[in-house]
Amino acid sequence: DTGVSQDPRHKITKRGQNVTFRCDPISEHNRLYWYRQTLGQGPEFLTYFQNEAQLEKSRLLSDRFSAERPKGSFSTLEIQRTEQGDSAMYLCASSLRGTSTDTQYFGPGTRLTVL
Amino acid sequence: QQPVQSPQAVILREGEDAVINCSSSKALYSVHWYRQKHGEAPVFLMILLKGGEQKGHEKISASFNEKKQQSSLYLTASQLSYSGTYFCGTDRDDKIIFGKGTRLHILP
Repeated sequence: DTGVSQDPRHKITKRGQNVTFRCDPISEHNRLYWYRQTLGQGPEFLTYFQNEAQLEKSRLLSDRFSAERPKGSFSTLEIQRTEQGDSAMYLCASSLRGTSTDTQYFGPGTRLTVL
Repeated sequence: QQPVQSPQAVILREGEDAVINCSSSKALYSVHWYRQKHGEAPVFLMILLKGGEQKGHEKISASFNEKKQQSSLYLTASQLSYSGTYFCGTDRDDKIIFGKGTRLHILP
């Protein structure tokens, strides 16, 4: 058990609807990452936070995606006006310090299906 | 740029050995290895650091060739529980860029 939790585990929505996912990192972990994973691919970086500050957002991420980590603890990822191409597993990970030598621990993911 | 993993898939019998390779076109400072079972989150296995230090799994070993920008994961005397997809990740500005994975299937 890595200690990172995500909610919900599964989400089915219709195209055009908004969805929001939540991630609770391991307590005391300063870094929080969001990844997207599609079938047969590795996790693809979306964005990450150092405490409450969003430090980087992938150029692949459209303006329909927004993430927050308001108090430096849990984080939310919102997708507005969902499209079928958004269907994927959304993974959250956290690490203690966020250096390149630091281990990232992943949560179980939220599987999104857009109909 | 995404690291390249080889082979894409491996089928072994229990007790056999496997090697999974990971190469990058850019200089490596650290390489991270994860295993993911179907429908589950990636689980940390090992991290290899520039200079030779490694931290991780006691039954799995790995090498890191900084000059060749390559890493290899060695699974010896494989067990059924080793089945899954193995991902290597290379660090890029404090984030991990993952390869496409190597699917490992262990037969009894």
